[in-house]
Amino acid sequence: QVTLQESGPVHLKPTQTLTLTCTFSGFSLSTNGVRVSWTRQPPGKALEWLARLDWDGDQSYSTSLKTRLNISRGTSNNQVVLTMTDMDPVDTATYFCARTPPGDVGRLDYWGQGSLVTVS
Amino acid sequence: DIQLTQSPESLAVSLGERATIHCKSSLNLFHSSSNKNQLAWYQQKPGRRPRLIIYWASTRESGVPDRFSGSGSGTDFTLTITSLQPEDVAVYYCQQYYSPLTFGGGTRVEIK
Repeated sequence: QVTLQESGPVHLKPTQTLTLTCTFSGFSLSTNGVRVSWTRQPPGKALEWLARLDWDGDQSYSTSLKTRLNISRGTSNNQVVLTMTDMDPVDTATYFCARTPPGDVGRLDYWGQGSLVTVS
Repeated sequence: DIQLTQSPESLAVSLGERATIHCKSSLNLFHSSSNKNQLAWYQQKPGRRPRLIIYWASTRESGVPDRFSGSGSGTDFTLTITSLQPEDVAVYYCQQYYSPLTFGGGTRVEIK
């Protein structure tokens, strides 16, 4: 079955760089049409999409955050890594990774449980 | 960027009654090459990950009860929950994936 799991630091200081890893199973990012996205959610607030990596290496970013974001494949074939520079307390949020299945361009059918990152 | 505006922000509905949530897009989400509207709906319960319930504006995800339905096209979309159940208490988000992805601000559904 498809699973995704986020991992990374729980706490960061302002100006530091966040590096999060999404480790997945049950699918391959090499499969035509598969994509992996990162989305975040500040406490008590709405979801905010951040970035997406496609099976062919194409990357997409939130317009408002693209200067601070980078998404890439991890060292293992089943990993996607998100980095966000110059972290600020307003970036405190739960960060989720999620999959887009082949045959669609953006619905997110499987999500990780989320990783809470606190900046202070 | 495409903006999605959800209304209302919250609503309280009696058990067994209908809940209706609206999502308005700043841009037409109908993709002519696929002949589909690039819009999805998610349910998120407190402390849980979001759950996909509707995609292509009106296709129910596998395992989602048929009391959930999506409708609309272009810029105006609706999520309807007929006969609200206690387990439907959640925040609901619309999401466009026409270019590239954005979420609406969410609608909280509670029991009256």
